[in-house]
Amino acid sequence: AQSVTQLGSHVSVSEGALVLLRCNYSSSVPPYLFWYVQYPNQGLQLLLKYTSAATLVKGINGFEAEFKKSETSFHLTKPSAHMSDAAEYFCAVSVSNNAGNMLTFGGGTRLMVKP
Amino acid sequence: DSGVTQTPKHLITATGQRVTLRCSPRSGDLSVYWYQQSLDQGLQFLIQYYNGEERAKGNILERFSAQQFPDLHSELNLSSLELGDSALYFCASSPLSGGGADTQYFGPGTRLTVL
Repeated sequence: AQSVTQLGSHVSVSEGALVLLRCNYSSSVPPYLFWYVQYPNQGLQLLLKYTSAATLVKGINGFEAEFKKSETSFHLTKPSAHMSDAAEYFCAVSVSNNAGNMLTFGGGTRLMVKP
Repeated sequence: DSGVTQTPKHLITATGQRVTLRCSPRSGDLSVYWYQQSLDQGLQFLIQYYNGEERAKGNILERFSAQQFPDLHSELNLSSLELGDSALYFCASSPLSGGGADTQYFGPGTRLTVL
């Protein structure tokens, strides 16, 4: 079975500062990894996904994540935070099998951006 | 806008009652997924349907059931409702049946409040 741990349920940064949201996964088979963002009162929007093509994945809104197998990590970064980045971010893992396609989510990290 | 629609947006009901949540997937997507988001449990996978057939099952209570119709829309039925069933229920859709890289697109959710 797979699992995801997001370190830090709340992260606060200043506008213009580096954003780093941490995600560690556990999977017995090569995983597929996703980052989703949830704005208040909205559904989840895909930021980026790792599918083994490249370890550094670029997503929307200037976000990127690096897959590190040795550290079982998939941390999300953005060089310069913007006020509009304030939201909750979820890391998720999926595995490829013939029994369907469920996402297992981490607990989420709420990002706050200070002016 | 992901292209996934859910109705109703909000639902308030009493304990012991039964409700039906509806989801229309993105055009062309054959899989529909249901997730529950609550403060204490986080985001949890409930069930997946592919082209009308149940494909994968997660932490879905026996009081809950789902189905996918020939036009590919799906309904989640919740019965004998308890206070603890109050949550945000998301529907997601994807093109395929399995394969972990298949991206799931989320609807805006239905907020269920059980009084």
